[in-house]
Amino acid sequence: QVRLQESGPGLVKPSETLSLTCTVSGGSISGYYCYWMRQPAGKGLEWIGRIYTSGSTDYNPSLKSRVTMSLDTSKNQFSLRLSSVTAEDTAVYFCARDDKDIGAAAVFWGQGSLVTVSS
Amino acid sequence: QSALTQPASVSGSPGQSITISCTGTSSDVGGYNYVSWYQHHPGKAPKLMIYEVSNRPSGVPDRFSGSKSGNTASLTISGLQAEDEADYYCSSYTSSSTLVFGGGTKLTVL
Repeated sequence: QVRLQESGPGLVKPSETLSLTCTVSGGSISGYYCYWMRQPAGKGLEWIGRIYTSGSTDYNPSLKSRVTMSLDTSKNQFSLRLSSVTAEDTAVYFCARDDKDIGAAAVFWGQGSLVTVSS
Repeated sequence: QSALTQPASVSGSPGQSITISCTGTSSDVGGYNYVSWYQHHPGKAPKLMIYEVSNRPSGVPDRFSGSKSGNTASLTISGLQAEDEADYYCSSYTSSSTLVFGGGTKLTVL
């Protein structure tokens, strides 16, 4: 079974850069789309973006200027960087991966990582 | 991109059927057969219930079904069970090669 685990600082200061890594086990990230989503407390899910094995990326237009995604196939990991954070970026961040023959959907999800933006 | 429109809440009694709508535009829901539905119990990882409008991943009960008409997609749950109580989100591929989620619907099983 494919498992994903987010890791990174739980507290980030305003104006700094949020960095999270997703480690995938039980399956490869090669040949798949890897996703990042977030959910602020009491609000709905927001799609942040996705990265393919080739390194090509698609980002939410509202976050595009601040988001960078990357991957390391040798470690079976992919990462999210969100710059110039504010309190509005406080949320539970989820990583996910798709699956063969399932189009444009996040099939396997991590449990989520709470990131709080505060000084 | 604007979030897809879902009702904030729906409810039903055990054994009944409910339908959750998800309205977008011709640039997302109406333009592509890439609508997905997720079940989310707070504090847990979301779970994919429906993909490509009407397909169920392995292990999802056939009580869950999806459909689409024009710019509106729907998730129907028949034979409601207590464990179905959760938040449900739709998502769609868009003409900008991105994904967009709906605002979410809280399902209460009475």
